[in-house]
Amino acid sequence: AQSVTQLGSHVSVSEGALVLLRCNYSSSVPPYLFWYVQYPNQGLQLLLKYTTGATLVKGINGFEAEFKKSETSFHLTKPSAHMSDAAEYFCAVSVASNTGKLIFGQGTTLQVKP
Amino acid sequence: GAGVSQSPSNKVTEKGKDVELRCDPISGHTALYWYRQSLGQGLEFLIYFQGNSAPDKSGLPSDRFSAERTGGSVSTLTIQRTQQEDSAVYLCASSLSGHNRDTQYFGPGTRLTVL
Repeated sequence: AQSVTQLGSHVSVSEGALVLLRCNYSSSVPPYLFWYVQYPNQGLQLLLKYTTGATLVKGINGFEAEFKKSETSFHLTKPSAHMSDAAEYFCAVSVASNTGKLIFGQGTTLQVKP
Repeated sequence: GAGVSQSPSNKVTEKGKDVELRCDPISGHTALYWYRQSLGQGLEFLIYFQGNSAPDKSGLPSDRFSAERTGGSVSTLTIQRTQQEDSAVYLCASSLSGHNRDTQYFGPGTRLTVL
């Protein structure tokens, strides 16, 4: 069965500092991987996704993630945090099937301190 | 263009009552998903519709939950005899084709509170 683990339910960084949100997955077949962001009282918005090809994926708002098959990881990074990055972040996996349903991690709340 | 819309945005009901939640997907998207977001369980898949195919109901937690999609567009999620553990945010998403590489676009959700 597929699963996603996000290490750290809460991460706090200072404005301008590096953001690193960790995601590890378990899948018996090549996964498609996604990072979504959720701002308060809003739905989920796609930050970036990995399907095939280049393992370093760039997304919106300066975020990027690297797919590392050997480590079964898809960590999300941003070089310099901004106050507006404060939100909840979800890593998700969609296995190679015809339904496309997403299996989500538990989420990581990012706090950005001034 | 218009995104995924859901109604109502908030619903408060009494235990034992039935509720209906509505989702309007992005025009032209053939795949539609329902998820539930709750404090204890995180984000859980509930049901998936793709075109005229039989829906994937594998995530529905009990037979009190049902959903339909009329005319390949609007979907309604119905919860019968609501229980307090049904309190959650119900999210709807749509995608172009239902392929697992497709981006799913989420609506703002319906917050259900069962008293």
